[in-house]
Amino acid sequence: QVQVVQSGAEVKKPGASVMVSCQASGHTATNYYFHWVRQAPGQGLEWMGLINTYSGGQKSAQRFQGRLTVTRDTSTSTVYMELSSLTSEDTAVYYCAKDSPRGYLTTDYWGQGTVVTVSS
Amino acid sequence: QSALTQPASMSGSPGQSITISCTGTSSDVGGYNHVSWYQQHPGKAPKLMIYEVSDRPSGVSNRFSGSKSGDTASLTISGLQAEDEADYYCSSYTSSATYVFGSGTKVTVL
Repeated sequence: QVQVVQSGAEVKKPGASVMVSCQASGHTATNYYFHWVRQAPGQGLEWMGLINTYSGGQKSAQRFQGRLTVTRDTSTSTVYMELSSLTSEDTAVYYCAKDSPRGYLTTDYWGQGTVVTVSS
Repeated sequence: QSALTQPASMSGSPGQSITISCTGTSSDVGGYNHVSWYQQHPGKAPKLMIYEVSDRPSGVSNRFSGSKSGDTASLTISGLQAEDEADYYCSSYTSSATYVFGSGTKVTVL
């Protein structure tokens, strides 16, 4: 049974950075994509970026370029999302989601979500 | 990349059918068949309901179906049930090799 477990809630001050981790277990595939999606309170889903766990190749939405870094540690099947220069508008639930072998955001497993609060 | 356009809310009585639209451009919905639909219940992670415009993952009810015409994709829920009350989001691959979600539609079962 595949499980995707994210790190716990974070509270950050404006201008700081936050790193959220996402660990997958219970599967044997080594070449797949992980997406990062966030949802501000009462708002819709927003795609942030992705990483290929085999090559490390990544892509991010234009609005996050320069501020979003997605990395992975293949030895622990963990991917990381770091968002810098935080403002109150970054307060949201951050999800990681594993893509199915079909790719193209056909996700099959999601993390439980990590609440990030940005407040002075 | 702006969010794809969806109606903010839709409602229907049990047993009825509703169709949610998702309008983009030729750079996303109109240009690719990589359109998915997600269901999200309050406080839960999204769940994939439709992928590649009209395919259903294993375990998803056949009451859910998808289609596309031009720059607009659609999700139809037939035989509406109380458990279908949720938020629904479309998503699409884009010409920038990124992804974009729709603005979301709240479905209410009357």
